[in-house]
Amino acid sequence: DADVTQTPRNRITKTGKRIMLECSQTKGHDRMYWYRQDPGLGLRLIYYSFDVKDINKGEISDGYSVSRQAQAKFSLSLESAIPNQTALYFCATSDLGFGGYTFGSGTRLTVV
Amino acid sequence: DQQVKQNSPSLSVQEGRISILNCDYTNSMFDYFLWYKKYPAEGPTFLISISSIKDKNEDGRFTVFLNKSAKHLSLHIVPSQPGDSAVYFCAASARGAQKLVFGQGTRLTINP
Repeated sequence: DADVTQTPRNRITKTGKRIMLECSQTKGHDRMYWYRQDPGLGLRLIYYSFDVKDINKGEISDGYSVSRQAQAKFSLSLESAIPNQTALYFCATSDLGFGGYTFGSGTRLTVV
Repeated sequence: DQQVKQNSPSLSVQEGRISILNCDYTNSMFDYFLWYKKYPAEGPTFLISISSIKDKNEDGRFTVFLNKSAKHLSLHIVPSQPGDSAVYFCAASARGAQKLVFGQGTRLTINP
C-alpha cells in the first residue's frame, strides 16, 4: 500500500457542486499539506496542518476548506466548485525534521 | 509573486550528455532547497536537497549547486538516461516555515 493515499484518483463534477478530496497516510507524520498543480504555475499551497488542532491557510485558500479528522487523515473540500478549480491536486506529508515531503499520487479534478 | 522560478519550461538532452536544470529564488530567508522529480500520473518524488550552509551536494549522477549571492541553484544530471525524462520541480523553504514553495517545473526529455 502507498504511504500517502488520495481518493478519488479522477473526478469530474459540475459547477456549483460540493466535492471532497480525501488523503490518508501511514507515515506517522504530523504535518500534512494540500497543493494544486496547474500548467505553468507549478505547485501552489492551498492549506496545511501541523497537527489535528492546527489548520493554516496557504497562498490560494479561497474557495477551499479542509478538515483534519485524525493525524492520518486530511480532507480538502470545494464547497461550490467552479471551472478554474480544474487542476491536479496533491496531498503531502512531512516529519518533524522536515526532510522533505512524501506526496500522494494526486487527484485529477475537472469542473464542467 | 513567484518566489521560486524555473524559467525553462522544457529541456531536451541527448542520452549520455549532461542535463542542467536551473532555478532562481527571490526570498533571502530561504535556507533549504530541494529538487523533486515527477512522472505522469504519479506524485512528485524527492530527488536531492541542499542546505544554505553548503554550495554543493552530490548523490550519484545528481549534483545540486547553490549560489547564494546570485540566489540561484542548479541540478546537474550526468550522464543523462532515458529514465530521467520527467518534470523536475525546484522547491525552497525558509527557516521555521515548515512548508515548501515550488517553482513552475521543467520538463526534461532525454533523447536516445
